[in-house]
Amino acid sequence: EVQLLESGGGLVQPGGSLRLSCAASGFTFSSYAMSWVRQAPGKGLEWVSDISGGGSSTYHADSVKGRFTISRDNSKNTLYLQMDSLRAEDTAVYYCAKKGFTIFGVPIEDWGQGTLVTVSS
Amino acid sequence: EIGLTQSPDFQSVTPKEKVTITCRASQSIGSSLHWYQQKPDQSPKLLIKYASQSFSGVPSRFSGSGSGTDFTLTINSLEAEDAATYYCHQSSSLPFTFGPGTKVDIK
Repeated sequence: EVQLLESGGGLVQPGGSLRLSCAASGFTFSSYAMSWVRQAPGKGLEWVSDISGGGSSTYHADSVKGRFTISRDNSKNTLYLQMDSLRAEDTAVYYCAKKGFTIFGVPIEDWGQGTLVTVSS
Repeated sequence: EIGLTQSPDFQSVTPKEKVTITCRASQSIGSSLHWYQQKPDQSPKLLIKYASQSFSGVPSRFSGSGSGTDFTLTINSLEAEDAATYYCHQSSSLPFTFGPGTKVDIK
């Protein structure tokens, strides 16, 4: 059974930083591309970042480019999202998500339970 | 950026009724269109992948069709547990995008 367990969310001041983690189990982590998707309170889903299975290819939404960095440690079966220069509009539930063997064309097949990030003074 | 529009925004439906949700892409995305169900306070769940393929474990009353720019999610004989928001999602090209969602309420 695929399990994705996010952690690291919380309250942070504007301009601050947070690092989200996602512990994965139940599948061969290094074989799968992974994503971060966020959902602001009462709003829809927004794609944030993708990373290939080996970690060599990464992509970010324009809204977070230059501020957020997706990475992974395949030896620890863990996905990360380093979030810097946080803004109020980054307030959202952040979901860790498992894709397929590639990034393009494939669906997100499994989602974590999400971790809430609140950016406020 | 490929924009996705969904219609309707909201639908109130009686049990056993048929529900049809459409998703339109601003440019052709082939079959790289996927549908998700999100119930209140839960994570999204994959229903349909590649426009028309049912994901493992999804009830047969859920089906999808379409290609290119026009796609449809159909729920045959709606059940009370299907009350949720439904999102389409394209993974054809960056930035990946989601539709705004269609909320389905049970009368």
